[in-house]
Amino acid sequence: GAGVSQSPRYKVTKRGQDVALRCDPISGHVSLYWYRQALGQGPEFLTYFNYEAQQDKSGLPNDRFSAERPEGSISTLTIQRTEQRDSAMYRCASSLLAGGAQLIYNEQFFGPGTRLTVL
Amino acid sequence: TQLLEQSPQFLSIQEGENLTVYCNSSSVFSSLQWYRQEPGEGPVLLVTVVTGGEVKKLKRLTFQFGDARKDSSLHITAAQPGDTGLYLCAGAAAGNNRKLIWGLGTSLAVNP
Repeated sequence: GAGVSQSPRYKVTKRGQDVALRCDPISGHVSLYWYRQALGQGPEFLTYFNYEAQQDKSGLPNDRFSAERPEGSISTLTIQRTEQRDSAMYRCASSLLAGGAQLIYNEQFFGPGTRLTVL
Repeated sequence: TQLLEQSPQFLSIQEGENLTVYCNSSSVFSSLQWYRQEPGEGPVLLVTVVTGGEVKKLKRLTFQFGDARKDSSLHITAAQPGDTGLYLCAGAAAGNNRKLIWGLGTSLAVNP
């Protein structure tokens, strides 16, 4: 399948450790989004990229969170010095958004998510 | 800050009943999307509405965008257990269609 993939699917770590969450978007998709989602609630925006450029990082909770997409494809969300409150489902989504008339149809395709548990 | 309020937050109904989910904001959106999410999966797009007053139908689901493009509704006719899931609305932020503003979701349970 050519959907969005994320790894690892589950991550258990100890408080204070750094974690790196990976997202592999659909090939050719321009935009890539990172969200955090609580059970039974809508996604909480963290940050997004167009190609390799980080366009908006206003949703990152603090400076322990960072993201990169160096070659405009795979992205990594890094959380440094993890805390228990960081435990959540982290989801990645990508969209084609080639611009022009397609811009209003921002269909986002979501990955399966990474369930992060900080002990 | 643009916000999207969804109601109701939870809904439990019997098979065959009709229901409506609402998504409201004080802000204007250039477009609005409805997604459905099943347990353990990511959200999947159902429909995008763009024009004020627009109505789209997808089998038993009817989506409407308000005339002022500030609100939307999802109506399900004769609900079935397979409709169970989390329904999410998401609006394209004014001036920035690449960033979606998400509602908190409506958790629907359709009992056989």
